[in-house]
Amino acid sequence: DQQVKQNSPSLSVQEGRISILNCDYTNSMFDYFLWYKKYPAEGPTFLISISSIKDKNEDGRFTVFLNKSAKHLSLHIVPSQPGDSAVYFCAASAGGGSNYKLTFGKGTLLTVNP
Amino acid sequence: DTGVSQDPRHKITKRGQNVTFRCDPISEHNRLYWYRQTLGQGPEFLTYFQNEAQLEKSRLLSDRFSAERPKGSFSTLEIQRTEQGDSAMYLCASSRDRISSGNTIYFGEGSWLTVV
Repeated sequence: DQQVKQNSPSLSVQEGRISILNCDYTNSMFDYFLWYKKYPAEGPTFLISISSIKDKNEDGRFTVFLNKSAKHLSLHIVPSQPGDSAVYFCAASAGGGSNYKLTFGKGTLLTVNP
Repeated sequence: DTGVSQDPRHKITKRGQNVTFRCDPISEHNRLYWYRQTLGQGPEFLTYFQNEAQLEKSRLLSDRFSAERPKGSFSTLEIQRTEQGDSAMYLCASSRDRISSGNTIYFGEGSWLTVV
């Protein structure tokens, strides 16, 4: 039972264009969402997060959008740079007594071509 | 402060041997987590400490696995009688408090385990 789904295993975009990575979730108890970036043989690096009380959060080139009714979130990277090439993981946390655990999707490999 | 530190970064062991991984969290982070990642999957939660108390263990953590966090500082994850299915990246993470805005989880670089 996969509670966080990233249905696109890979995405390829041109440098300077927008990258849009998508994530769907099924657990309505999730109230905090995070995106992590991971290079091979390294641990995940935190990028940006959003609380369920918001529908948008922006940090530089990275913006996360949350659509609670659709149980969908997306990460926009504008403009995309070759250094952004990595695996991106969507993660979610439920509130209350489960606020210590992240549930991850399987990741999307982003390739930004020069 | 250099972030979450894990040691060793790579370990190759023969099936049936015991292995131990160490994690040093970010200083003053009272929460420490262990995750496991296999190829093609996202990280999966294994266990969680608040200070020295182990408060949650995933069903993924069989009896061959044991984690400790003496004195609420560094943590160790031991795998006894390793099996080939244990081959994975073991990730340690820490946070100051519960997951929320302003308090996120920071991961170490991981410890790769290969069981041959």
